Amino acid sequence: IAGITQAPTSQILAAGRRMTLRCTQDMRHNAMYWYRQDLGLGLRLIHYSNTAGTTGKGEVPDGYSVSRANTDDFPLTLASAVPSQTSVYFCASSQGGGIGTDTQYFGPGTRLTVL
Amino acid sequence: GQNIDQPTEMTATEGAIVQINCTYQTSGFNGLFWYQQHAGEAPTFLSYNVLDGLEEKGRFSSFLSRSKGYSYLLLKELQMKDSASYLCAALDSNYQLIWGAGTKLIIKP
Repeated sequence: IAGITQAPTSQILAAGRRMTLRCTQDMRHNAMYWYRQDLGLGLRLIHYSNTAGTTGKGEVPDGYSVSRANTDDFPLTLASAVPSQTSVYFCASSQGGGIGTDTQYFGPGTRLTVL
Repeated sequence: GQNIDQPTEMTATEGAIVQINCTYQTSGFNGLFWYQQHAGEAPTFLSYNVLDGLEEKGRFSSFLSRSKGYSYLLLKELQMKDSASYLCAALDSNYQLIWGAGTKLIIKP
């Protein structure tokens, strides 16, 4: 593994189903993030984690949950998917530490369609 | 509220120069990022500015004016591979990135 991986690459899901999007990084970054990207809108932060064992809510957290059991993995769970959660989901990571030069590096994304 | 504004779409000619503008309003400010995103791919880091002035990196340069809440990305000697969306993002006082919707740059031969 080099960088950040996400799985699955794409998924079609029936409304009401539970779904977990996986994200793994091998850069030993402290901070990790989940964004959604919709046409015409900027990246919107769903949840973040500044370090293993801690998580925080972003701009659009409703309907999503995350966990950070270790440094490398940051799964995003949709407990009961709804059509408005159709989007492209990006996981990102950064060194963290609250410094300005803290560049975020992105995974390849998961394209999710909820019908 | 916090807000990032940038043009939705721009068109330029191969070999030319293009400037993509970005204005921001954030609660506190800890720097301005530019990312490039090709269609169907992830955003990739281009530049970071925290002090006023111009940062040059090859064909790409980024400028920041903190007093005006303004930044621009300058692309010189445009190549077809520069066709992409360019995302402006400002780091607020909580070190959270506030993202613009992106500027789609179309390069014509």
